[in-house]
Amino acid sequence: EDQVTQSPEALRLQEGESSSLNCSYTVSGLRGLFWYRQDPGKGPEFLFTLYSAGEEKEKERLKATLTKKESFLHITAPKPEDSATYLCAVQAGNTGKLIFGQGTTLQVKP
Amino acid sequence: DVKVTQSSRYLVKRTGEKVFLECVQDMDHENMFWYRQDPGLGLRLIYFSYDVKMKEKGDIPEGYSVSREKKERFSLILESASTNQTSMYLCASSSGTGVGNQPQHFGDGTRLSIL
Repeated sequence: EDQVTQSPEALRLQEGESSSLNCSYTVSGLRGLFWYRQDPGKGPEFLFTLYSAGEEKEKERLKATLTKKESFLHITAPKPEDSATYLCAVQAGNTGKLIFGQGTTLQVKP
Repeated sequence: DVKVTQSSRYLVKRTGEKVFLECVQDMDHENMFWYRQDPGLGLRLIYFSYDVKMKEKGDIPEGYSVSREKKERFSLILESASTNQTSMYLCASSSGTGVGNQPQHFGDGTRLSIL
């Protein structure tokens, strides 16, 4: 069964304290892995797509990487405005459907 | 930028009512999706559509139906609302024909309460 697991569920950081969020997946025929950011009361906002192992994408303080079994979202020197829930989703097979993880809620304290 | 607009941010309805949730996207995307998001359960796919007048069941279609009469508009219908359908409903769209692997872009959601 296709599955996506994110860890940790919650993460508290001090401003400037770098860390990584993990997204482990078991799917047959990965077509893409997607990272989203979701603020309270809002819909998920698209961040990155990764298509193949070894690929990396960067945007400001965020960097996403992909292996054959997992993806990491690295946050370098985070700021309070980076506080949000980060969602990972994979697209597999021929349906175009996304399978979402439960998310990691990040809190960055000043 | 892609814009996905959901007609209501908050909605309160009564048990047994027929409820319509509307979603419009302005990027000429072929694919549209409806999800619900609940604490501890994450996002779950209700229905999706790859083309006008076309629909596919997602993982939890029971109690819902959809309509896509125009490419830009995708409606979710709760045939007879029940309290267990109280949730945050999210609409999304993506480009690409067939199964594609382009990102989905989401609206800001409708928080629906069924009393």
